[in-house]
Amino acid sequence: EAAVTQSPRNKVAVTGGKVTLSCNQTNNHNNMYWYRQDTGHGLRLIHYSYGAGSTEKGDIPDGYKASRPSQENFSLILELATPSQTSVYFCASGGTDSNERLFFGHGTKLSVL
Amino acid sequence: GDSVTQTEGLVTLTKGLPVMLNCTYQTTYSPFLFWYVQHLNEAPKLLLKSSTDNKRTEHQGFYATLHKSSSSFHLQKSSVQLSDSALYFCALRRGSALGRLHFGAGTQLIVIP
Repeated sequence: EAAVTQSPRNKVAVTGGKVTLSCNQTNNHNNMYWYRQDTGHGLRLIHYSYGAGSTEKGDIPDGYKASRPSQENFSLILELATPSQTSVYFCASGGTDSNERLFFGHGTKLSVL
Repeated sequence: GDSVTQTEGLVTLTKGLPVMLNCTYQTTYSPFLFWYVQHLNEAPKLLLKSSTDNKRTEHQGFYATLHKSSSSFHLQKSSVQLSDSALYFCALRRGSALGRLHFGAGTQLIVIP
């Protein structure tokens, strides 16, 4: 089974602070994704990457940056956290074929106070 | 743009009854459809997938048929169990999208004894 590990699992941040969420995958997948999950909205794509050094904007990128320094690691960065960014964040990895599934991490619960 | 609609936010059923969770989609590309299931405090996991028109796909007692004529991919089960209580997401991927998944808002299924 493919492994995607997120850290931290829980995070409390202050408004205006910087937050970095980390994701590591050991599956050698080219594609990695950051989603946020909010009740009534499902999973919304923030940023994604096709490989080391690449990042692409998803559907809701405002207020977020992403970094893919290696095949294995993909970070989500909130430079100036706001309470509206309180959410559960999921990282996922997957192959490049259209019918391939995504493998999700267990999520990071972020609270911005 | 691409989109997925799940009309039921919450479905509550008695154990042993049949269930159908609705999913319709919109895209101008060749579609790949997925159902993901998320149990409480766990990561979303693939339940089943399809890109073949009018062919039923099954997994763990759940089944769905992609109907391109009606842009639908409804999830069904003939007899729900208590362990089926979870959040179910329908998701769409274009054939040419290189990995982007669009998720519906999700349907919470609660099965009661």
